[in-house]
Amino acid sequence: EVELVESGGNLVQPGGSLRLSCAASGFTFTNFNMNWVRQAPGKGLECVSYISDSSNVIYYAESVRGRFTVSRDNAKNSLYLQMNSLRAEDTAVYFCVREFRYGSGWRSGALDIWGQGTMVAVSS
Amino acid sequence: DIQMTQSPSSLSASVGDRVTITCRASQSVSSYLNWYQQKPGKAPKLLIYAASSLQSGVPSRFSGSGSGTDFNLSISSLQPEDFAIYYCQQSFSTPRTFGQGTNLEIK
Repeated sequence: EVELVESGGNLVQPGGSLRLSCAASGFTFTNFNMNWVRQAPGKGLECVSYISDSSNVIYYAESVRGRFTVSRDNAKNSLYLQMNSLRAEDTAVYFCVREFRYGSGWRSGALDIWGQGTMVAVSS
Repeated sequence: DIQMTQSPSSLSASVGDRVTITCRASQSVSSYLNWYQQKPGKAPKLLIYAASSLQSGVPSRFSGSGSGTDFNLSISSLQPEDFAIYYCQQSFSTPRTFGQGTNLEIK
């Protein structure tokens, strides 16, 4: 079964750090680009970061650039998100998401497999 | 960043109705437009990719259309399990941006 399982969410004080992990199973992890998408309580979806299959292309949302770092370990089928200098507005459920490539070119992607999400709460 | 605007933000409909949700991009995204469904407490689910291609396992009552800046998601005959929030998302450029969502409620 294709599955993504996130871990590492917690309550943290403003200015603190957290590291989220995502364990992938049931598919060839090295063949897929991956994303972190977050959803604040009662709000919509925001793509936080993207990392290509070989880690040579990485993008961040403007709201987290310079504070968050995405990485992956293909040998361990794992995706990570290091979050530093956390703010109250980073409070959200963070989803690990696989990008399905339906055509040629980097634009041809859709988010087909989602984890269950891990909650990050930033509060004093 | 490309802004995605959905309309309406909320919609009340009855089982058996046909509904259409619209998504407009602030600039052309060609056909790089995806649709997702999210139910309370669950992760989103991919319904449509490349504007009009039905994801495997998604019922055929769902369909997508459009290109450039204007897109539609249609549900031909609403079923009880279709009441949820629907999001569009562009993959034309980074960051991948979502619409604000359309909450489809039971009338």
